[in-house]
Amino acid sequence: DAGVTQSPTHLIKTRGQHVTLRCSPISGHKSVSWYQQVLGQGPQFIFQYYEKEERGRGNFPDRFSARQFPNYSSELNVNALLLGDSALYLCASSLVPETTTDTQYFGPGTRLTVL
Amino acid sequence: QKEVEQNSGPLSVPEGAIASLNCTYSDRVSQSFFWYRQYSGKSPELIMSIYSNGDKEDGRFTAQLNKASQYVSLLIRDSQPSDSATYLCAVTKAAGNKLTFGGGTRVLVKP
Repeated sequence: DAGVTQSPTHLIKTRGQHVTLRCSPISGHKSVSWYQQVLGQGPQFIFQYYEKEERGRGNFPDRFSARQFPNYSSELNVNALLLGDSALYLCASSLVPETTTDTQYFGPGTRLTVL
Repeated sequence: QKEVEQNSGPLSVPEGAIASLNCTYSDRVSQSFFWYRQYSGKSPELIMSIYSNGDKEDGRFTAQLNKASQYVSLLIRDSQPSDSATYLCAVTKAAGNKLTFGGGTRVLVKP
């Protein structure tokens, strides 16, 4: 079975531009979460979606937005890119985020570099 | 105080020895605890989950949870050079909630 997939793998943008990152969850998983990992740090939570509804939002500015589609895939959008947005963006999928044992599995990530 | 704290390392371990990693968390309502392994340039890979006090073993890995003391640990027995990676501790406060990560412990297994 295919795991979590993300596209693109790498991306180079300049300051002020906009970027869209995409994620497809594991088949049968209905929840997608997005994390940002800056070099040398642990991942930081950005958003969680379940059944197309936002279930949680981390401490990120409004320049960050996301959505989930009927097929449970998801997009993360970042507007007005800043140098500090350079990071590895991780998508994680889970089955049903309403059980204590719900486990998140990560995709390969998208490496975003802002110049 | 960070919500989840780990020693950044590096933790240098001879091949075949036991690597012991520790993680403390600040919120007593934390319910679920996870260890992820992350190789350089790659994404985190789940290696263990633990939900109740005590030990949980899976192959060469053993996770230990002590909610009263608010710590969770990971033991890697018979360490191999392929175990060299950063190990991330993560916790959730409620069912299906966001993962809160520590900064990770870098482990180096020397042949």
